[in-house]
Amino acid sequence: AQRVTQPEKLLSVFKGAPVELKCNYSYSGSPELFWYVQYSRQRLQLLLRHISRESIKGFTADLNKGETSFHLKKPFAQEEDSAMYYCALGGTSGSRLTFGEGTQLTVNP
Amino acid sequence: GAVVSQHPSRVICKSGTSVKIECRSLDFQATTMFWYRQFPKQSLMLMATSNEGSKATYEQGVEKDKFLINHASLTLSTLTVTSAHPEDSSFYICSAREKGDFWGYTFGSGTRLTVV
Repeated sequence: AQRVTQPEKLLSVFKGAPVELKCNYSYSGSPELFWYVQYSRQRLQLLLRHISRESIKGFTADLNKGETSFHLKKPFAQEEDSAMYYCALGGTSGSRLTFGEGTQLTVNP
Repeated sequence: GAVVSQHPSRVICKSGTSVKIECRSLDFQATTMFWYRQFPKQSLMLMATSNEGSKATYEQGVEKDKFLINHASLTLSTLTVTSAHPEDSSFYICSAREKGDFWGYTFGSGTRLTVV
């Protein structure tokens, strides 16, 4: 079974501070992991995926298979980063995505 | 980039009636479309997966006779909520995957359904 846990429903930081959104997963096979972002009143959009190992809008995420984690990090948060962030897991056995419950990030001025 | 159009964005219907939600891929062919349901302040729950030209695969606990999914073409999938009840009120989101891009999901903007 696939499972994604985002332990923090709400996260608040000040502008310029580092931010880390936690994501842990459970999957017996080789996982595909993603971070999606949903800005206020907008649709869900892909932020990054682990296989591409890229940095989008200053965010990075490293897959740690030992800890089964895929935490999202940014060294200096900006106000425009305020949004809902979802971690998602795709398994190799199929194409379905399993989403975590999401973390609402608020970056205060 | 890939765009998915979902209509309507909001709909209010009376209890017992049916509502159809459309999901269109505007500039790509979507071999697979996914339908999610999202309750307030909760995650997206996958309801069903539909492949063009074949029957949808429903997740456990989702009533296929209540949530009818049709994926008749490579650019259109519809979700019909039949005999809607207030407990069906929710936010429904579709997602489309382009042929050849296994993990390339594009999401619609969602439909807020309110059953009164």
